[in-house]
Amino acid sequence: DTAVSQTPKYLVTQMGNDKSIKCEQNLGHDTMYWYKQDSKKFLKIMFSYNNKELIINETVPNRFSPKSPDKAHLNLHINSLELGDSAVYFCASSQTSGSNEQFFGPGTRLTVL
Amino acid sequence: DQQVKQNSPSLSVQEGRISILNCDYTNSMFDYFLWYKKYPAEGPTFLISISSIKDKNEDGRFTVFLNKSAKHLSLHIVPSQPGDSAVYFCAAKRAGTASKLTFGTGTRLQVTL
Repeated sequence: DTAVSQTPKYLVTQMGNDKSIKCEQNLGHDTMYWYKQDSKKFLKIMFSYNNKELIINETVPNRFSPKSPDKAHLNLHINSLELGDSAVYFCASSQTSGSNEQFFGPGTRLTVL
Repeated sequence: DQQVKQNSPSLSVQEGRISILNCDYTNSMFDYFLWYKKYPAEGPTFLISISSIKDKNEDGRFTVFLNKSAKHLSLHIVPSQPGDSAVYFCAAKRAGTASKLTFGTGTRLQVTL
C-alpha cells in the first residue's frame, strides 16, 4: 500500500496552461505539505495544511493554489504555467503539524515548454 | 538565504568502509535535525533524526552526530553497502506547530564494490 501517492508522476505542458497535481495519503495524518525541488535540487516548502486549514504559505506566486477537500487529500493547482515552474513537486504528510517526521510521495516532474 | 548547507555534492566510498556526510546550519533556532535518503524517481524517505538536546543518535549502521556550538551535524554509515548509494538530504526544523522542514541541497553517495 502506498502511503503518500501523487498523480500524475510526469506532466509535460505548454506555457500559459493550467494544470493540477493530486496528492493522497492513507496514513491518517492530520497535516500535508507541498514542496518544490528546483533544478538546483533545492527542496523548499510551499504550503502546508492541517485538517484542511492552511497553516504555512511561503512566498509562492498566487498562480499556485492548494486545495484540501479533506485531510487525506491536498491538491495543487497552477494557473498560467511559466517556464520557471518546471520542477519536481513533492507532497508529504505528518501525523500532526508539530510532528518531526514527514512522509513523502514519489514526486511529480512538471516540465513546462 | 540557505540556512542548511551540504557543501559536498557527492561522495564515493568503498563497500565496507565508513561514509561520512556533513551538514552545516546557520539558524540557531533549529532544534531538531533529520536525514532523508532519496533514490532516483522516488520521494525522500526518513532515515534518522536527532534532537538538539542530544549529541548522538544511533540506529543500526547509521549514526548522527550533532555539534551545536559549531552548528554542524554529520551522518556516519558503517559499514557502507552498495544499497546505500543514494542522495542524502539533511533537514532542520524549529519546535512548535506549523513547523516546516528546511532542507540542504543533498549529497550523492556512491558506494563502490
